[in-house]
Amino acid sequence: EIVLTQSPATLSLSPGERATLSCRASQSVSSYLAWYQHKPGQAPRLLIFDASNRATGIPARFSGSGSGTDFTLTITSLEPEDFAVYYCQHRSNWPGTFGQGTKLEIK
Amino acid sequence: EVQLLESGGGLVQPGGSLRLSCVVSGFTFSRQAMSWVRQAPGKGPEWVSVVGGSGTITHYADSVKGRFTISRDNSKNTVYLQMNSLRAEDTAVYHCAKGEPLHSWFDPWGQGTLVTVSS
Repeated sequence: EIVLTQSPATLSLSPGERATLSCRASQSVSSYLAWYQHKPGQAPRLLIFDASNRATGIPARFSGSGSGTDFTLTITSLEPEDFAVYYCQHRSNWPGTFGQGTKLEIK
Repeated sequence: EVQLLESGGGLVQPGGSLRLSCVVSGFTFSRQAMSWVRQAPGKGPEWVSVVGGSGTITHYADSVKGRFTISRDNSKNTVYLQMNSLRAEDTAVYHCAKGEPLHSWFDPWGQGTLVTVSS
């Protein structure tokens, strides 16, 4: 099973700042990696798929990069609605796994 | 507008059973594989089960194989998860989502229904 390790566990930033979230895979997942945003009591939302493609309706301040084992989600200028938990997920092999999440909180 | 609405969660004793439902609207349900994904407190999400569009193909995570059964009724745009022999470690919020492991991403998701297994 491929293990996805996200860092940091918690990131404290202010609105307007830049957020950089990391996801590292225990072995290569090529570009089969996605990022999801999850707010309490809401449905998780797909942000980025195939490492760098924004899902429909996702603002341009969200971007993804990386391939192989190291991936990054960047939010260029944080809006108040961006504070949430972010998960990465791979689908390189069956059944795919998720990371443990990064909580992005308001400083 | 695409909507997925789960129901059926609750408090159940170890060894008990629950049946979850997920009603879908906003896309052609019968053509899409549907999954259940759960999230235990303090942990990342975990894929649980998938059913193909026709309902004939199903797969399960090893952690639930032999205890959970996924099914669907395309006339009702609904996917189900029958959960038997429940354990404390099955405690989680259960989300339904369009998609299947390996072949697609999970998008969209429902907001989930809480299952608590405790005596």
